[in-house]
Amino acid sequence: DQQVKQNSPSLSVQEGRISILNCDYTNSMFDYFLWYKKYPAEGPTFLISISSIKDKNEDGRFTVFLNKSAKHLSLHIVPSQPGDSAVYFCAASGGNNNDMRFGAGTRLTVKP
Amino acid sequence: NAGVTQTPKFRVLKTGQSMTLLCAQDMNHEYMYWYRQDPGMGLRLIHYSVGEGTTAKGEVPDGYNVSRLKKQNFLLGLESAAPSQTSVYFCASSSSGGLLTDTQYFGPGTRLTVL
Repeated sequence: DQQVKQNSPSLSVQEGRISILNCDYTNSMFDYFLWYKKYPAEGPTFLISISSIKDKNEDGRFTVFLNKSAKHLSLHIVPSQPGDSAVYFCAASGGNNNDMRFGAGTRLTVKP
Repeated sequence: NAGVTQTPKFRVLKTGQSMTLLCAQDMNHEYMYWYRQDPGMGLRLIHYSVGEGTTAKGEVPDGYNVSRLKKQNFLLGLESAAPSQTSVYFCASSSSGGLLTDTQYFGPGTRLTVL
């Protein structure tokens, strides 16, 4: 039973445009959400997070939006750069690292 | 700082064989984790440790054992490997268990194939 779903396995965008990666969750007990980025042959690295008391968190080119009523979050990358090409994992937790649930990932390709 | 390292990077086993995956971190983190990643699925937590000498079950612990004899090392063992354990295994560590103050740092992964 996947509690965190990323329904788009892949996404391709042009350099300079916006990339929007989506994530849905089913467990209403989740109150902390994260995005990880993974390059080939490397482990995931933390990108940005948001707690359920907020609906937006911004860090440079990366913004995460949370819609609690829809149980939906999204990651916006503006402007997209070729170096952003990676697999992006959405994750959700009740507040602890050991109860985190991950989505299957979305492979983003940014074309020059 | 090497961060989190994993040994080996690749391994092929035959059904029934045993092996141990080693994870080491040099960040003096208290918490360590073992995950597996399968195609079309997110990372799933196998076991974790909240400190030296402790271990706890995660979401998918069956078929695996772990040990944390030293703070910097977390070992994952497969006593009798099965094809269903073919996966990419990631180790991670964090200074604490709370996400509000901390996050996890991941190793590069071990690709295990069980024939």
